[in-house]
Amino acid sequence: DGGITQSPKYLFRKEGQNVTLSCEQNLNHDAMYWYRQDPGQGLRLIYYSQIVNDFQKGDIAEGYSVSREKKESFPLTVTSAQKNPTAFYLCASSTGALYGYTFGSGTRLTVV
Amino acid sequence: LAKTTQPISMDSYEGQEVNITCSHNNIATNDYITWYQQFPSQGPRFIIQGYKTKVTNEVASLFIPADRKSSTLSLPRVSLSDTAVYYCLVGNTGRRALTFGSGTRLQVQP
Repeated sequence: DGGITQSPKYLFRKEGQNVTLSCEQNLNHDAMYWYRQDPGQGLRLIYYSQIVNDFQKGDIAEGYSVSREKKESFPLTVTSAQKNPTAFYLCASSTGALYGYTFGSGTRLTVV
Repeated sequence: LAKTTQPISMDSYEGQEVNITCSHNNIATNDYITWYQQFPSQGPRFIIQGYKTKVTNEVASLFIPADRKSSTLSLPRVSLSDTAVYYCLVGNTGRRALTFGSGTRLQVQP
């Protein structure tokens, strides 16, 4: 089955550490996205990529970095510069149409 | 960019019809109206999309008046499993990425 896979489901980070969240899709979608969701809030765009080897900052990119070396993969690194990283992180891929967004099941990151 | 406004929360009972209205006064001519549903600890999923008048699928109906400044998502005979957050989005394929507001939190009671 085609889909989008995020791992791990739960992640714990010590303060001052960098962590990388994985996102893989086999839908042959060109575009991929990372969103952050805080409790009771909507989704906020961190980074997005419309083609391989190219990505753009979203609304809250500070403290995060991404790469897009393969069409299928769009990993997100939460750096130590991100002061409040505890959140639910969602990865999505898209055909480009508004109805064409497919989301992963998310990674819940907690700073301990 | 068209800003959307929708109620923060709504309550309903099983078997009732639920209507969630979204205001988008600055909608552009080439914008579509799209609704997504999100269950706790999951990513949003597409429900329905429309441009004008009425659209219906197996899950919901979407009503859009002639001026397109608002839209109403209608969920017929809701069940407990419809408890979720519903997001109204306005845009077109030229947009860089979807922008999600806070959505409407629907709570269905038995």
